[in-house]
Amino acid sequence: SQKIEQNSEALNIQEGKTATLTCNYTNYSPAYLQWYRQDPGRGPVFLLLIRENEKEKRKERLKVTFDTTLKQSLFHITASQPADSATYLCALAEDSNYQLIWGAGTKLIIKP
Amino acid sequence: NAGVTQTPKFRILKIGQSMTLQCAQDMNHNYMYWYRQDPGMGLKLIYYSVGAGITDKGEVPNGYNVSRSTTEDFPLRLELAAPSQTSVYFCASSYEGVGPQHFGDGTRLSIL
Repeated sequence: SQKIEQNSEALNIQEGKTATLTCNYTNYSPAYLQWYRQDPGRGPVFLLLIRENEKEKRKERLKVTFDTTLKQSLFHITASQPADSATYLCALAEDSNYQLIWGAGTKLIIKP
Repeated sequence: NAGVTQTPKFRILKIGQSMTLQCAQDMNHNYMYWYRQDPGMGLKLIYYSVGAGITDKGEVPNGYNVSRSTTEDFPLRLELAAPSQTSVYFCASSYEGVGPQHFGDGTRLSIL
């Protein structure tokens, strides 16, 4: 069956450290993958998009990698801050259509 | 810059009642989407639209209907509300089918 999985347990990270979140998928051939941030009571906010032919994408303190062999994307936040605490969602789309398939998200908690 | 606006923010319905969730965007996006988000689950696509007058079913369309008479508006209609439709509903829009999606802040709906 097709699955997209993110760690359901909250990730606790000390302020200043690098937070790494994982998104694994099975039985999909994604053309691209997106990462979003969601705060409580709010809608998701787009962060980064990475295509299948890209290994890595960066934006300020954020970095996304995409390994189609491992069927995995990693999302890194360097020099983490308490304001980075939120739930982070990954979503993928296959080339044949533009419907995003969403992971359930990982809650990130940055401790001062 | 309003982005995507959803109304109402909260609503309680009785079983069997009907209602329309409103969604409007001011970014002139052709693509619009309706999702539901249940605790511990990824966003599920209900319906989407690629332009005015064009709508199509997503993964979980049963019990819902949509219309898209203008580029700006994409209302979601619930007919004969059921407890299984208790959820948070998000509307989103995008410039491209494969591009970043912009979300509203959701409608929290309870069916009792």
